[in-house]
Amino acid sequence: EVQLVQSGAEVKKSGESLRISCKGSGYSFTSYWISWVRQMPGKGLEWMGKIDPSNSNINYSPSFQGHVTISTDKSINTAYLQWSSLKASDTAIYYCARLGNYALGHNWFDPWGQGTLVTVSS
Amino acid sequence: DIQMTQSPSSVSASVGDRVTITCRASQGISSWLAWYQQKPGKAPKLLIYAASTLQSGVPSRFSGSGFGTDFTLTISGLQPEDFATYYCQQADSFPVTFGGGTNVDIK
Repeated sequence: EVQLVQSGAEVKKSGESLRISCKGSGYSFTSYWISWVRQMPGKGLEWMGKIDPSNSNINYSPSFQGHVTISTDKSINTAYLQWSSLKASDTAIYYCARLGNYALGHNWFDPWGQGTLVTVSS
Repeated sequence: DIQMTQSPSSVSASVGDRVTITCRASQGISSWLAWYQQKPGKAPKLLIYAASTLQSGVPSRFSGSGFGTDFTLTISGLQPEDFATYYCQQADSFPVTFGGGTNVDIK
């Protein structure tokens, strides 16, 4: 079974750093890009960026460029999303999701991780 | 960025009803469109990709159509497990963008 399993919920204070993870299994991890998607409380879905685990090539949404860092460790089939200095406005659920066949333009997401709730208090 | 506009934002329906959700792109995206279902507290689930191709395991009461800028998701014969929020997503170019969502609730 193809699945993405994310790390658990986090409660942090403004200014703290954080890294959350997403571990892939059931498929060749380096064959598919991984994306991160934000969902703020009661709101819709926002694409943050994507990474190619085979070579760590990264593309960020302009809305998130400079605010987060996406990385991967292909030796353990894991992608990461990190912040160096959290803000209260970073409070959200963060999903990782596998991108379809990028070379064929299949830019949809399946499967998704279960989500990681990040709560940042001021 | 390509803007995706979904309508309605909310619809109340009964079991057995036919429900149609529309999604409009701010520019032509050919058939590069996906639909997702999200239930409360759960991750989104891919229902349809390439505008009209049903993802494996998705019931046939779900169907998608459209090309260019106008797309529809139809649920024929709403079931209790279909009450959820539905999102469209343009897959034409990055940054990919999502519609604002349509909440389907019980009348």
